[in-house]
Amino acid sequence: AQSVTQPDIHITVSEGASLELRCNYSYGATPYLFWYVQSPGQGLQLLLKYFSGDTLVQGIKGFEAEFKRSQSSFNLRKPSVHWSDAAEYFCAVGASGGYNKLIFGAGTRLAVHP
Amino acid sequence: NAGVTQTPKFQVLKTGQSMTLQCAQDMNHEYMSWYRQDPGMGLRLIHYSVGAGITDQGEVPNGYNVSRSTTEDFPLRLLSAAPSQTSVYFCASSYTGAPNEQFFGPGTRLTVL
Repeated sequence: AQSVTQPDIHITVSEGASLELRCNYSYGATPYLFWYVQSPGQGLQLLLKYFSGDTLVQGIKGFEAEFKRSQSSFNLRKPSVHWSDAAEYFCAVGASGGYNKLIFGAGTRLAVHP
Repeated sequence: NAGVTQTPKFQVLKTGQSMTLQCAQDMNHEYMSWYRQDPGMGLRLIHYSVGAGITDQGEVPNGYNVSRSTTEDFPLRLLSAAPSQTSVYFCASSYTGAPNEQFFGPGTRLTVL
C-alpha cells in the first residue's frame, strides 16, 4: 500500500537559514509527488509537483524539491527561509486508481525565529 | 472566480445530530473529494467523486455520506455525529486524468460534543 512518511514533526530554523524538509514514500510504480503548504487557519496550497522528467523541480515561493528514486525520497528545500514561511508542510503521493486520490504524510510544522 | 468554497467555517454538534457540510467549486472540475485532517495524521480521504452521479469511498468513509447531483456541488453528510468525527474537513477539486493539482477549500472545523 502507498504511504508517505515525514520524519520531522516540528522544525525550527532562523530567518535566512537554509531549510530541508524530508519526505519518504512507498509506492510500487513511478510516483506522482506533491508538496503542499498550509498557513494557520487556511486551506492547502500547492508548492510544487513531480510527475516525470527532471528530478529537480522548482515551485512557488522559492522552494524546490528533488526526487530520488533510489532513496524513495522527495525532500523540499529552500536556500533562505523567510518569517512568512512559518506554516505546516505536507508531502503527498498520488495513489493508484487514476483519479487524483492523494496519500498525505503527517506534516512538518515549521517555525522561523527572527 | 471563487475557487472552492466551504460552509460553514465552524460548527459544534451534539452526539447523534446530523448535518451537511457544503462544498462548491466554480472551475468546472470533474473530480471532487473530501478529506479530514487530524493532528499527527495529515489528511485522509473520506469520499470522492469523478463526476456528477458518480461517487466512491476513500480511506475513512464510515459515518459519512456524499452525493454529486451537479458538477459544482459535493456535500458531505454526517447522519449521526460522533465525537470521533471532531476534525477539520477540507474539500478539494481538480481535473481528472493524470494527477493534477487539487485546489482546496478553506476548511470546516467541526466539534462533536
